[in-house]
Amino acid sequence: DAGVIQSPRHEVTEMGQEVTLRCKPISGHNSLFWYRQTMMRGLELLIYFNNNVPIDDSGMPEDRFSAKMPNASFSTLKIQPSEPRDSAVYFCASSWDRGNTIYFGEGSWLTVV
Amino acid sequence: AQSVTQPDIHITVSEGASLELRCNYSYGATPYLFWYVQSPGQGLQLLLKYFSGDTLVQGIKGFEAEFKRSQSSFNLRKPSVHWSDAAEYFCAVGALNFGNEKLTFGTGTRLTIIP
Repeated sequence: DAGVIQSPRHEVTEMGQEVTLRCKPISGHNSLFWYRQTMMRGLELLIYFNNNVPIDDSGMPEDRFSAKMPNASFSTLKIQPSEPRDSAVYFCASSWDRGNTIYFGEGSWLTVV
Repeated sequence: AQSVTQPDIHITVSEGASLELRCNYSYGATPYLFWYVQSPGQGLQLLLKYFSGDTLVQGIKGFEAEFKRSQSSFNLRKPSVHWSDAAEYFCAVGALNFGNEKLTFGTGTRLTIIP
């Protein structure tokens, strides 16, 4: 079975550029999560969708960050403009809300220079 | 608000020795509890979870965890570690409300295995 698929796996970009991270959740899952992992702050929930609707975006750091889920099989996390402090691993995860187990992708490793 | 504490940042264990990783949680109701493992450069893999019922939970790779409500703990154990167990381990607590399964993670415990 395919797990959560994220792209790109690695990205290096210059400060000020737009970054788009993509996620395909596990088929049949109706909840999708974006997490950010850094050494300083650990794993932080950025935003959470249920049935394609954003439920809680209180973790989104600032207006430079935006996330969309246009359909059940695709989500994007966009950073515009990017800054060096955005360098982190961004994880997408999905679950079925009657199953309560969250499955993680392998992450997108972002470096902003 | 829910929270998780993993008091040990780094643990070193000899191969073949037993292991216990500590996790304490704070949550106002019955929690969902999870242990995830992260190998270097990889995502998080679910080891085991506790929702209800038997407080001793068996997981993959020979791991188990015990839920102790009186101590607000969910410690992870393995009787004999293998070199491949070297990784970062995260405890997490989730809400019990369907449709709102946000997980709050601890800061992780890095496990080093020595020969």
